[in-house]
Amino acid sequence: GAGVSQSPSNKVTEKGKDVELRCDPISGHTALYWYRQRLGQGLEFLIYFQGNSAPDKSGLPSDRFSAERTGESVSTLTIQRTQQEDSAVYLCASSSNIDTQYFGPGTRLTVL
Amino acid sequence: GNSVTQMEGPVTLSEEAFLTINCTYTATGYPSLFWYVQYPGEGLQLLLKATKADDKGSNKGFEATYRKETTSFHLEKGSVQVSDSAVYFCALSISGGYNKLIFGAGTRLAVHP
Repeated sequence: GAGVSQSPSNKVTEKGKDVELRCDPISGHTALYWYRQRLGQGLEFLIYFQGNSAPDKSGLPSDRFSAERTGESVSTLTIQRTQQEDSAVYLCASSSNIDTQYFGPGTRLTVL
Repeated sequence: GNSVTQMEGPVTLSEEAFLTINCTYTATGYPSLFWYVQYPGEGLQLLLKATKADDKGSNKGFEATYRKETTSFHLEKGSVQVSDSAVYFCALSISGGYNKLIFGAGTRLAVHP
């Protein structure tokens, strides 16, 4: 079946604008994760969804960041008033068990 | 806190050389350990995993053994190929209901013919 998909693959925006990043998990996967990968660094956890609720938002770096998930499927990560330090690759992963996460190809965000 | 430290890259090897990428961790509780690989232009893929002490994960000729006494999970391969060129990430998760992954910074491997 299809893997995790993310859109857009690339996003260039101006500082101060809002952006929305989308993740379509593997069908039937109840767990969904967002991570951020800054250039030359490892992945940082942002938020975890189980179904449509988010029991762990501890990685969101500021209140400019928010995420939602609907229908136990699609998730949207929103960054308001983007800053240059938000430039990164944003990765989504989904899982049906506690051991294996399947990652999407990521969205490369560049804030000018 | 929980963290992962892996050797800095890039690691440059000739084809058929032996590979070791060191990974050590700090964790409260009993983590599961993972190696993920990111090939050029592709998404992150799970390479192998180990869920308890002394377990050995293996895949595609790569191996890593969960060493609780040294808090390590070093990645090894006996004979690398050009197609192994990628960035390798060591990661852990703490058992307890879900699987938030904590990643190392990644090690870039370049294999030359």
